[in-house]
Amino acid sequence: NAGVMQNPRHLVRRRGQEARLRCSPMKGHSHVYWYRQLPEEGLKFMVYLQKENIIDESGMPKERFSAEFPKEGPSILRIQQVVRGDSAAYFCASSLKENEKLFFGSGTQLSVL
Amino acid sequence: KQEVTQIPAALSVPEGENLVLNCSFTDSAIYNLQWFRQDPGKGLTSLLLIQSSQREQTSGRLNASLDKSSGRSTLYIAASQPGDSATYLCAVNNYGQNFVFGPGTRLSVLP
Repeated sequence: NAGVMQNPRHLVRRRGQEARLRCSPMKGHSHVYWYRQLPEEGLKFMVYLQKENIIDESGMPKERFSAEFPKEGPSILRIQQVVRGDSAAYFCASSLKENEKLFFGSGTQLSVL
Repeated sequence: KQEVTQIPAALSVPEGENLVLNCSFTDSAIYNLQWFRQDPGKGLTSLLLIQSSQREQTSGRLNASLDKSSGRSTLYIAASQPGDSATYLCAVNNYGQNFVFGPGTRLSVLP
């Protein structure tokens, strides 16, 4: 039973390009959460999704950032027109039920040149 | 708004010592609390989850306690080993909201 899978593991983008981060939750999990971690800082919540629905996006910047979790396929965190300040580790977590135990992927390290 | 703090920020101990990591939260109306470890450059591994109705949870050499009224949780690690070296994070969940993470305690266990 595979865990939470994130890809790519590392992503390098130049300023102004788009970044697409993918997350496949654990089998049977329909709740997906995205977090961002800056060096030497804790995890900051970005967005919580269930299949085809955004439940809570209060932690996600209003501009340039979007997330989806389609009926089929992985959840996607999309960052348009990336800036250097977007450089961070982005982690995805999934759970079987809302408010229950979180299982994390290995993260995507985004570097913006 | 829930705020989570962890003390100490960093801890260095010799192998074999028992140690306690602390987590404090401001809103005591929590649903559950989860402890994780994070190795450098890696994701988070869940260690223990305590429901609000529970006082403690144990897994091997790890014991986590919860005191909701005082807004505190502790993670006790017995007979520490170099392999325990990692950053330990606690995350607090208020029902209907998302897990709020503390900044972590960076643990080094010296052989």
